[in-house]
Amino acid sequence: SYELTQPPSVSVSPGQTASITCSGSKLGNKYACWYQQKPGQSPVLVIYQDSKRPSGIPERFSGSNSGNTATLTVSGTQAMDEADYYCQAWDSSTVVFGGGTKLTVL
Amino acid sequence: EVQLVESGGGLVKPGGSLRLSCAASGFTFSTYSMNWVRQAPGKGLEWVSSISSSTSYIYYADSVKGRFTISRDNAKSSLYLQMNSLRAEDTAVYYCARDGVEMATPGNYFDYWGQGTLVTVSS
Repeated sequence: SYELTQPPSVSVSPGQTASITCSGSKLGNKYACWYQQKPGQSPVLVIYQDSKRPSGIPERFSGSNSGNTATLTVSGTQAMDEADYYCQAWDSSTVVFGGGTKLTVL
Repeated sequence: EVQLVESGGGLVKPGGSLRLSCAASGFTFSTYSMNWVRQAPGKGLEWVSSISSSTSYIYYADSVKGRFTISRDNAKSSLYLQMNSLRAEDTAVYYCARDGVEMATPGNYFDYWGQGTLVTVSS
């Protein structure tokens, strides 16, 4: 079965750039998206179709996808960005989520 | 405003059954594929099932195939998940989520999520 691998945790200082990776076999041939989830809340879509931002998502969130890796980049990270982030893709009529990455803003 | 409101969760014994509902509003329900995603306590997101707008396409995770049944009533703007033969490992918050592309088969992103309903399977 298809798997998406994310680092369990990423730390970043306020104002700096955080990058969260998502690895999967030939992931670049699929669309990847990203969700943000804060404690006690439902997930929120922050990036879809590799690099598009939904309405209302700040410009500091960006995405890319090539080869075997999709990347979520948070530029000028703010304290409010501290959350769990999940990548997601479809493979053979199955939805696959990455294990999630806890972004800590130190 | 798009709203998805899940209900039907609760405490059930192993081997028991439960039916979850998701009431949708604020959009044309009948033109969107819909999905169920769950999250065990302290764990990550796990996809459960997807259904196309006309029910022509239905997909399940291997972990629930043969035990869970997804369905929808477009006239009532409602999504359902019938869960049978429940196990302890089915304990989770269950989210209803809308597919992000109108008039498309399942296979996209999830642009709106409900608040979730907790299912606890325990004796």
